[in-house]
Amino acid sequence: DAKTTQPNSMESNEEEPVHLPCNHSTISGTDYIHWYRQLPSQGPEYVIHGLTSNVNNRMASLAIAEDRKSSTLILHRATLRDAAVYYCILIGTNAGKSTFGDGTTLTVKP
Amino acid sequence: DTAVSQTPKYLVTQMGNDKSIKCEQNLGHDTMYWYKQDSKKFLKIMFSYNNKELIINETVPNRFSPKSPDKAHLNLHINSLELGDSAVYFCASSHFGASVGGYTFGSGTRLTVV
Repeated sequence: DAKTTQPNSMESNEEEPVHLPCNHSTISGTDYIHWYRQLPSQGPEYVIHGLTSNVNNRMASLAIAEDRKSSTLILHRATLRDAAVYYCILIGTNAGKSTFGDGTTLTVKP
Repeated sequence: DTAVSQTPKYLVTQMGNDKSIKCEQNLGHDTMYWYKQDSKKFLKIMFSYNNKELIINETVPNRFSPKSPDKAHLNLHINSLELGDSAVYFCASSHFGASVGGYTFGSGTRLTVV
């Protein structure tokens, strides 16, 4: 299975943008890049996904490198409620057998 | 309406007991999953069912037995519970393959074995 690599932790100040990186150098052509976040004591929730082009939704933006070997989740204005563990995973030919790595623990300071 | 609901939310039981966790989804998905999250927060897939058929069965002790009576339900039965089974168990659902729609997770069942 293609794996992803993320920094263990990041810090941000409230109302500032946050860029969360993810490396996926072994991504295959049919793998979609998905981002999830897990708030304390909750299940992971979907944030955004993309294949090749950059994507925007109401929660975040996803910037995908041209070679697709890395991506960045962008939170435009971090709030205290964005403090969570963010997971970058690849979903494609693995029939749903996606591997959630350790994720990045985002701390937002007031 | 909760999209993926699990019961119970908390479960405290003694070693050696048998317990079940239930999961239901109302999203019309055809694939359901059980994940285990241990104290180190690592999220590991255990089982997956597509249209009531087992399609993913990771290296999990035989004491764990999933059952899917229909594509909207996936239950997890655990026999002879051990201390190491203490964890948070998440149910999830998706369309088959999950590549476009992704997963929808339940809120988890925190199992504590004493």
